[in-house]
Amino acid sequence: AQSVTQLGSHVSVSEGALVLLRCNYSSSVPPYLFWYVQYPNQGLQLLLKYTSAATLVKGINGFEAEFKKSETSFHLTKPSAHMSDAAEYFCAVIANNAGNMLTFGGGTRLMVKP
Amino acid sequence: DSGVTQTPKHLITATGQRVTLRCSPRSGDLSVYWYQQSLDQGLQFLIQYYNGEERAKGNILERFSAQQFPDLHSELNLSSLELGDSALYFCASSAIPSGGGDGYTFGSGTRLTVV
Repeated sequence: AQSVTQLGSHVSVSEGALVLLRCNYSSSVPPYLFWYVQYPNQGLQLLLKYTSAATLVKGINGFEAEFKKSETSFHLTKPSAHMSDAAEYFCAVIANNAGNMLTFGGGTRLMVKP
Repeated sequence: DSGVTQTPKHLITATGQRVTLRCSPRSGDLSVYWYQQSLDQGLQFLIQYYNGEERAKGNILERFSAQQFPDLHSELNLSSLELGDSALYFCASSAIPSGGGDGYTFGSGTRLTVV
């Protein structure tokens, strides 16, 4: 069973526009949720994490995500895109229905147009 | 620098060969995880070791094996290599067995190309 789904394998925005990357999870209990970023030819870097302390989570580089239990979502947003935000973004979950292992969504490639 | 060190960064080898990928976890982390990233399969969990013992297995082929040594570094052994094994292999570490709310810290990966 798919534990985490990212809608849209590619998202393109203009520089300065809002960034919205979608992530939905499936879990009977609130899981731990994460967003990772992978820049070209680099490893995975943690952007932010949800651990039930607060539903709105702020991360690095101006990104934030909101945990919505009713929608089983954890979408990633940034008010104003920069060219340097171009990368692949992965939503991931640690949940009991995923063997308590970090399980990744399929990833969303963000392209930023000048 | 994440603190997780993977060597080598790049590896090119022929089909049928065997290679060993090495990972040193972040200082203080007891758990090591191996992931494979390929274009068609995405990021797939392979195997986890915790303090020297195998703890969980994912989609790891029988041709692949791993171990974690007393100094906590880990090696992933890939044998009888096929073209389809070409991928980016990541190592990650965490302080506790499942990572919990801290998640995992990833290395920069080893890019394996099988020709």
